[in-house]
Amino acid sequence: GENVEQHPSTLSVQEGDSAVIKCTYSDSASNYFPWYKQELGKRPQLIIDIRSNVGEKKDQRIAVTLNKTAKHFSLHITETQPEDSAVYFCAARSLNTGFQKLVFGTGTRLLVSP
Amino acid sequence: SAVISQKPSRDICQRGTSLTIQCQVDSQVTMMFWYRQQPGQSLTLIATANQGSEATYESGFVIDKFPISRPNLTFSTLTVSNMSPEDSSIYLCSVERGMNTEAFFGQGTRLTVV
Repeated sequence: GENVEQHPSTLSVQEGDSAVIKCTYSDSASNYFPWYKQELGKRPQLIIDIRSNVGEKKDQRIAVTLNKTAKHFSLHITETQPEDSAVYFCAARSLNTGFQKLVFGTGTRLLVSP
Repeated sequence: SAVISQKPSRDICQRGTSLTIQCQVDSQVTMMFWYRQQPGQSLTLIATANQGSEATYESGFVIDKFPISRPNLTFSTLTVSNMSPEDSSIYLCSVERGMNTEAFFGQGTRLTVV
């Protein structure tokens, strides 16, 4: 089955810096890669996603890149703000699974210091 | 989008007892999922709740321990049976409206077993 690895586990940056979180996946049949943000005590919420037919997607300060050959995808946050502090999870979904099953990475705790 | 109401939001239970968690969605959805999130950890899929058929359980999770009901397309329950302290965790329901679309999560149930 699909396996998703995520790095780093924690990331501390100064306000205004960029942050990059990387994930790798194992199943070459995976075709959907969302990123979720979870603030303390809150539910996970989608911030951006990418499908396997594109290599990059941007939404204001957030971008995701996908390298299908290398089987990895990354989240880029520019001009970080303290409110970006949260845990970020990547995920992947494989066409090989019989159901619409998401496999999540282990999470990255991002701390943005003012 | 999807509005998901999950309850209870938290509970403290005695070991050996059972707790049933409810998940209500504001409109019909085909796929509903139940996840467990242990403190500081990622989301682990317990099972996929299928309307009109038995739930599909992931490796390491069994129906006797986590029975699931899905009586209609807007409602599901997860029961945590014969609880032990190791079951202390956050349990989240999730829904998706279609293949490779956003997963929406309930607010979670924080369970503590004493």
